[in-house]
Amino acid sequence: GENVEQHPSTLSVQEGDSAVIKCTYSDSASNYFPWYKQELGKGPQLIIDIRSNVGEKKDQRIAVTLNKTAKHFSLHITETQPEDSAVYFCAASPMFSGGYNKLIFGAGTRLAVHP
Amino acid sequence: GAGVSQSPRYKVAKRGQDVALRCDPISGHVSLFWYQQALGQGPEFLTYFQNEAQLDKSGLPSDRFFAERPEGSVSTLKIQRTQQEDSAVYLCASSRGLASETQYFGPGTRLLVL
Repeated sequence: GENVEQHPSTLSVQEGDSAVIKCTYSDSASNYFPWYKQELGKGPQLIIDIRSNVGEKKDQRIAVTLNKTAKHFSLHITETQPEDSAVYFCAASPMFSGGYNKLIFGAGTRLAVHP
Repeated sequence: GAGVSQSPRYKVAKRGQDVALRCDPISGHVSLFWYQQALGQGPEFLTYFQNEAQLDKSGLPSDRFFAERPEGSVSTLKIQRTQQEDSAVYLCASSRGLASETQYFGPGTRLLVL
């Protein structure tokens, strides 16, 4: 089955700097790669996702890149702000025959943005 | 519009008690997922419903765990004879339909088994 590794486990940056979180996956059949942000006491919130037919996607300060050959994908946050502080999870998923995506999550990255 | 809601938000149970956790998905969403999130870890898949049909229960850790969605909307996750290792946050997520990948998560139920 699918296995997702996420690095680093913690990341501390100064406000305005960029942050990069990297994930690798094992199942070449995976075709959907979302990133979630989880704040304390809340459920994960989707911030961006990418599908296997796309190499890069950007939404304002957030971008995701996907390298299918190497089976890794990365989250890039530019011009970080204190409100970006949270735990970030990557996930990977193949499409199952029933037409659904079962998400396999990484262990998470705790991002701290210092003013 | 309303998002996914879960109740209770917190549950303390004595070892051996049965618990029931409720999930109200976004109205009209066909797909419903349950995940278990241990402290400091990513969510782990438990089970999947497509309308009222439970199509995948491969992640349920034991036969003490049971989930249902009888009318294709509200779902209940039941844990019988709770054990300390069941302590975790239980997350529910829904998505609009088939081949609709975006999953919207609820706030979770934090279960503590003493």
